[in-house]
Amino acid sequence: QVQLVQSGTEVKKPGASVKVSCKASGYTFTSYYMHWVRQAPGQGLEWMGVINPSGGSTGYAQKFQGRVTMTRDTSTTTVYMELSSLRSEDTAVYYCARSWDSGSAADYWGQGTLVTVPS
Amino acid sequence: QSVLTQPPSASGTPGQRVTISCSGSSSNIGSNTVHWYQQLPGTAPKLLIYSNNQRPSGVPDRFSGSKSGTSASLAISGLQSEDEADYYCAAWDDSLNGVVFGGGTKLTVL
Repeated sequence: QVQLVQSGTEVKKPGASVKVSCKASGYTFTSYYMHWVRQAPGQGLEWMGVINPSGGSTGYAQKFQGRVTMTRDTSTTTVYMELSSLRSEDTAVYYCARSWDSGSAADYWGQGTLVTVPS
Repeated sequence: QSVLTQPPSASGTPGQRVTISCSGSSSNIGSNTVHWYQQLPGTAPKLLIYSNNQRPSGVPDRFSGSKSGTSASLAISGLQSEDEADYYCAAWDDSLNGVVFGGGTKLTVL
């Protein structure tokens, strides 16, 4: 069965970086894109970007350009999302979610990783 | 401010039919397919409808989606208490070159 298992809760200081992992299993890792979506407390879903695990190409939301880096490790079927220069507004639950291609629906989601940046 | 516009709230009584709208533009809904997600409290979003009107395996046929021009709708018939959740529409945006979401609609079952 398809599973996306994310790393655990993080508490970071302002200005620091955080790297969240998402380990995929139960399917061919390189056949599906992986998106990162975040949700601030009490707020809606916000798309951050997408990575193609096959070649490693990425696409980021303009809001996060220069601050986010998405990578993958095909040997461990894991994708990573690193966000730098953290501020209190980055406090959110971060989700990975796979899709057939960059514009198709995300059919499986990770359980979410809470990142807290105290103000 | 979300690129796709949804009503912040909707409500209905058990057994009723409710609809949730999602309005966009030519660069997103007007030229790409719409997907709907259901998020129960404290859980990750779950795919409810993909490609405008397709249901993933396991999603009851009480849920249906439609699209016309630059707008889309999610309909839930035979409303049940377990349908109380947040619902989000999403689509690829050709101008932004990324996925855009609606702000979400909180459905209350009275």
